[in-house]
Amino acid sequence: KAGVTQTPRYLIKTRGQQVTLSCSPISGHRSVSWYQQTPGQGLQFLFEYFSETQRNKGNFPGRFSGRQFSNSRSEMNVSTLELGDSALYLCASSLEGGFTDTQYFGPGTRLTVL
Amino acid sequence: AQTVTQSQPEMSVQEAETVTLSCTYDTSENNYYLFWYKQPPSRQMILVIRQEAYKQQNATENRFSVNFQKAAKSFSLKISDSQLGDTAMYFCAFMKYYAGNMLTFGGGTRLMVKP
Repeated sequence: KAGVTQTPRYLIKTRGQQVTLSCSPISGHRSVSWYQQTPGQGLQFLFEYFSETQRNKGNFPGRFSGRQFSNSRSEMNVSTLELGDSALYLCASSLEGGFTDTQYFGPGTRLTVL
Repeated sequence: AQTVTQSQPEMSVQEAETVTLSCTYDTSENNYYLFWYKQPPSRQMILVIRQEAYKQQNATENRFSVNFQKAAKSFSLKISDSQLGDTAMYFCAFMKYYAGNMLTFGGGTRLMVKP
């Protein structure tokens, strides 16, 4: 079975631009979560999607948004990029979500904002 | 809101020895789950071990075991017979009961296993 894939792996943008990151979960997984990892703030939860609905949302500004498609693939969008948005963005998928499901993480997308 | 604290930013251990990573957390929840994740230099996060708060028995997965002290809100990870492949960042994480896949992570401990 293929693992969680994230595209692109690396991205360079300038302040004020917007960016879309993509996550393809493991086949059969319906829950997709997104996390931001930075040296200063560590790993922070962005949001979780399950069956095309946002089920949980972290404490991020409205510039961060996401969606999930019927095939469970998910995208996250960041508008009006700021320097502080430079981070590794991790996506994780699981069957249904919850304790008994193992979350499988993707390799991440490294976003650099100049 | 929950907070997770890992007080040891870096640790090192000799190959084949045992090392314990500390984690404390703060929550008003009574039912929750705790996890240890490993992030090797390749950056792919991997689940190491998980613990249900309502279970008093400590979880064990091969060389990895936890010491869960609910009253003290402490959740340490013990790695026995350390191997070079254990070199990684280790994150302690908290999940509320029936809250979907929303993890709160600690700041991480960088573990170096020396030959």
